[in-house]
Amino acid sequence: QKEVEQNSGPLSVPEGAIASLNCTYSDRGSQSFFWYRQYSGKSPELIMFIYSNGDKEDGRFTAQLNKASQYVSLLIRDSQPSDSATYLCAVRGLTGGGNKLTFGTGTQLKVEL
Amino acid sequence: DVKVTQSSRYLVKRTGEKVFLECVQDMDHENMFWYRQDPGLGLRLIYFSYDVKMKEKGDIPEGYSVSREKKERFSLILESASTNQTSMYLCASSFQAGGGNIQYFGAGTRLSVL
Repeated sequence: QKEVEQNSGPLSVPEGAIASLNCTYSDRGSQSFFWYRQYSGKSPELIMFIYSNGDKEDGRFTAQLNKASQYVSLLIRDSQPSDSATYLCAVRGLTGGGNKLTFGTGTQLKVEL
Repeated sequence: DVKVTQSSRYLVKRTGEKVFLECVQDMDHENMFWYRQDPGLGLRLIYFSYDVKMKEKGDIPEGYSVSREKKERFSLILESASTNQTSMYLCASSFQAGGGNIQYFGAGTRLSVL
């Protein structure tokens, strides 16, 4: 079982719709959870992170964390073509002094006009 | 803004060459990381460093070494490059923030080993 799992996609949504990206993780001791966006040929950039159960909102983005189910998701409201990218879920555990992140392989999102 | 700078965007080397990839950050971050990214395999940690002259192996350290002589600079060394080391290499740095550990990435170096 992979430590951090994401559906590779592509996930296609129409412009203006809500995109829902999901991630599961195996280590129950995981502390913090991150969503990065990566455009083709570019490096990952942080969208947001969450460490408490529940929802965290930042503009059009909402991260949701359910530690009991070991599940974290990212909702993108009013999806735009510029949101088309690969979204990486990353999890911080206790290994490496708590400094390491383990990344999923990413979900490709396509927002169609 | 945090800036993580990788010395080269593209690099072409021959099998057996010694290759140096350099990374510099300007935010006084304690932690620095080297990843490689391959299609279908995602980001895999090669080495990281949490202080000057300190290093820890990541998930795939074989064939690589690192050097951190100054806090702002972290070098990845391929002692004898092989074709299976053709990849995108990403450097990152981080600080502790509000329970998180936000990593900021450089632009990446696409290395081709022929």
